[in-house]
Amino acid sequence: QVTLRESGPALVKPTQTLTLTCTFSGFSLSTSGMCVTWIRQPPGKALEWLALINWDDDKYYRTSLKTRLTISKDTSKNQVVLTMTSMDPVDTATYYCSRGYSSSWFFDYWGQGTLVTVSS
Amino acid sequence: DIQMTQSPSSLSASVGDRVTITCRASQGISNSLAWYHQKPGTAPKLLLYAASRLESGVPSRFTGSGSGTDYTLTIINLQPEDFATYYCQQYYGTPLTFGGGTKVEIK
Repeated sequence: QVTLRESGPALVKPTQTLTLTCTFSGFSLSTSGMCVTWIRQPPGKALEWLALINWDDDKYYRTSLKTRLTISKDTSKNQVVLTMTSMDPVDTATYYCSRGYSSSWFFDYWGQGTLVTVSS
Repeated sequence: DIQMTQSPSSLSASVGDRVTITCRASQGISNSLAWYHQKPGTAPKLLLYAASRLESGVPSRFTGSGSGTDYTLTIINLQPEDFATYYCQQYYGTPLTFGGGTKVEIK
């Protein structure tokens, strides 16, 4: 059974760095063809893709946020970590991690999401 | 970046209706398109991928079609559990992009 769970702070201050962890089970990111991605959704708005890491450690980022995002994996812990620097109130959103396939980047299993509010 | 334009942004329908949602890409995406739906407070759920392939466990009343830049999601015999927001997503290339969503509401 595949599961993913996001964890991290619910509240961050402007200019701070956000660190989110996706802990998953039921698959391995050391398996050829797997990937994990981060997607966010501001309140009442559409989904926004942020970053993706493949099983072979290839990484991809949203163009407009490329300088602020870092994605990494720890295969021994079954975790993927996303860091986002210089947080701003416009970054307030529910952040989801999900699983996909490096040959076709659609996503079949999702975490429940974690709401991050950026406010002083 | 490939822009995905969904239409309409919202629609009202009744149980049993046929509903069609369109997604247009700013360039050809070779059927590299997925559809999701999302209910309030929950994560999106994958419905179809490769434009027309039904994800395991998804009812056959959901169908997808299209090619090139234009794609369609059709729901026949709309059920109460289908009232949700629908999103398309292209995976032809990075950065991956989603459409703006279509909210299907009860008439």
